[in-house]
Amino acid sequence: QLQLQESGPGLVKPSETLSLTCTVSGGSISSSSYYWTWVRQPPGKGLEWIGSIYYSGTTYYNPSLKRRVTITVDTSKNQFSLKVTSVTAADTAVYYCARRGGYYSDLDYWGQGTLVTVSS
Amino acid sequence: QTVVSQEPSFSVSPGGTVTLTCGLSSGSVSTNYYPTWYQQTPGQAPRTLIYSTDTRSSGVPDRFSGSILGNKAALTITGAQADDESDYYCVLYVGSGIWVFGGGTKLTVL
Repeated sequence: QLQLQESGPGLVKPSETLSLTCTVSGGSISSSSYYWTWVRQPPGKGLEWIGSIYYSGTTYYNPSLKRRVTITVDTSKNQFSLKVTSVTAADTAVYYCARRGGYYSDLDYWGQGTLVTVSS
Repeated sequence: QTVVSQEPSFSVSPGGTVTLTCGLSSGSVSTNYYPTWYQQTPGQAPRTLIYSTDTRSSGVPDRFSGSILGNKAALTITGAQADDESDYYCVLYVGSGIWVFGGGTKLTVL
């Protein structure tokens, strides 16, 4: 059974960089067809698609976040990561990592989510 | 900037039928947007109900169905049950590998 687990600091200071890692177990991140994705949800608000990466390193980003977001993949560790620079309180959210089952498919496996709070 | 719109809230009686919609700020939703519907309960990750407009995800009861109605994607729940009370999100593929979520609909069953 595929499992995804987010990890990283739960508290980040304003203007600093948020860094999260998603560890994939029970399957290979290098499998073709799958796109590894980050989604976030501010407390009490809706979901926001952040971006996706293919195992080859091809990335796709939300245009409204593209300037501050980088997603990378480490196939040797079966992990992919998210960096968001110059964070503000508006970046406070539960961050989910997930697998897209194909280019046009759904997010079929999700991590449990991790709350990141931006505060001094 | 593409905006995907959903009804903020909806109410349905137990056993009743409700249709939630998912529209675009400009233009019509078609199957080319691969509408996908997720259900989320508090404290949980979302789970897929419908993908590619009308394909039910594995294990999803057949009282959930997806379609295109007019210029919007639609999720219909037929015979609503108490545990259908959740938040429902649609997401659309808008091209170049980019997906946009709607704001979500909070469904109350009472």
